[in-house]
Amino acid sequence: DQQVKQNSPSLSVQEGRISILNCDYTNSMFDYFLWYKKYPAEGPTFLISISSIKDKNEDGRFTVFLNKSAKHLSLHIVPSQPGDSAVYFCAASGGSNYKLTFGKGTLLTVNP
Amino acid sequence: SQTIHQWPATLVQPVGSPLSLECTVEGTSNPNLYWYRQAAGRGLQLLFYSVGIGQISSEVPQNLSASRPQDRQFILSSKKLLLSDSGFYLCAWIGEAYEQYFGPGTRLTVT
Repeated sequence: DQQVKQNSPSLSVQEGRISILNCDYTNSMFDYFLWYKKYPAEGPTFLISISSIKDKNEDGRFTVFLNKSAKHLSLHIVPSQPGDSAVYFCAASGGSNYKLTFGKGTLLTVNP
Repeated sequence: SQTIHQWPATLVQPVGSPLSLECTVEGTSNPNLYWYRQAAGRGLQLLFYSVGIGQISSEVPQNLSASRPQDRQFILSSKKLLLSDSGFYLCAWIGEAYEQYFGPGTRLTVT
C-alpha cells in the first residue's frame, strides 16, 4: 500500500523555466509534508516543508503548494537551474514519532 | 551545529556474512534516530526508528536488527546477509521543525 505517490519517475525542463513536481497521498492522517533533494551516492537534503494548516510555503526559488481536499502537493522551482538536476522525494508525516513515509522519487533533469 | 556520521561509506560482503553499520550524531541530545534503505530504483524505506537509548521500533520484518547503545549512536546489524540486503543505507535524525536530516549513507553490496 503506497501511501505517498510520485507518479512521474522523471521530468525534463529547460534552464530558466519552471519545474513542477507532483505528489499525491492517501492517508488523511498525514499533517506535515516535506520535499527532499538527492544526488547519487549522497543522503537526501531537506528542501522545504509545509504543515497541513497552510496551503503554500515559499523559500527562495522553491514553493510548495498543498491541496488537502485533493490530497495533493506540488513543488515549484522557478527558475530552474542545471544544478537542480537530482532526484526529488516527497515525504509525509502524521505520527507521534515523526516517521516519514516517502514517495519513490522523481528524477529532474534541467537542460542548459 | 548538528552533524551525522555514517561508516563505512561502502561495503562489499558475501552472502551469509554478518553486518554492522554505525551512525553517530553530534550536536544534539536524545534525538529521534532512523534507519532507511534505498534499494536500486526504489524509494526510501524506513527500517527502524528509535526515540531513546535501548528503544527500537521495527517497521519491516526482515533479517536486520538495530540497537541504540548510547544516546547518539544507532547501529544496524545482521547475523547473515542476503542478496536482497544490498542497497544504500541511510541514517537520519529529526530536527526541531520535524524535518529529518540524513547522513552520507553506506553503499552495501552483497555478493
